[in-house]
Amino acid sequence: GNSVTQMEGPVTLSEEAFLTINCTYTATGYPSLFWYVQYPGEGLQLLLKATKADDKGSNKGFEATYRKETTSFHLEKGSVQVSDSAVYFCALRRSMYEKLTFGTGTRLTIIP
Amino acid sequence: EAGVAQSPRYKIIEKRQSVAFWCNPISGHATLYWYQQILGQGPKLLIQFQNNGVVDDSQLPKDRFSAERLKGVDSTLKIQPAKLEDSAVYLCASSSLGGGSSYEQYFGPGTRLTVT
Repeated sequence: GNSVTQMEGPVTLSEEAFLTINCTYTATGYPSLFWYVQYPGEGLQLLLKATKADDKGSNKGFEATYRKETTSFHLEKGSVQVSDSAVYFCALRRSMYEKLTFGTGTRLTIIP
Repeated sequence: EAGVAQSPRYKIIEKRQSVAFWCNPISGHATLYWYQQILGQGPKLLIQFQNNGVVDDSQLPKDRFSAERLKGVDSTLKIQPAKLEDSAVYLCASSSLGGGSSYEQYFGPGTRLTVT
């Protein structure tokens, strides 16, 4: 079946540090890949997405590239801010009509 | 546009009691999802509706969980009787069938259930 394996957390970084959160997936066919973010006290929000191999999703300084050869979709940001503190979820969806399959989430804390 | 609304935000019940959660999706969204998010895990789909029909309920514990979406708009998820392991956040999401980015799932704030 489909699954998403995400980097274990929690992750604590200093402000302006470089961020990488690893995500790999197992799926049949050609799924779409997503990163969702959950800020404290809020619902899940879509951060970025990629729908085919070699696509790069980007938003708010975050980037992730759909790598089919390594079945990965790692999240990166060059310089994190305190406001980026949240829980980040990697997810896949086999088709646009289907459910999302999520990883376990990575809690990120940025200290000033 | 208004987002996905859920109520209540928090609920504490004793085991073997019953509880119901309500979700009002974004206006015009045909597809509605209920996810269960246990602490430390990612959300897991319980049931997916398209209009008022069930598309996927393969992960719904049907001996205790039920859900309905009358008139293809808002939805109710019920647990009866609750068990300790049902303690989780219940997320509702909706999406449209309009194509392109409309297929994105928009999530509500969730209902945090604690079973004691």
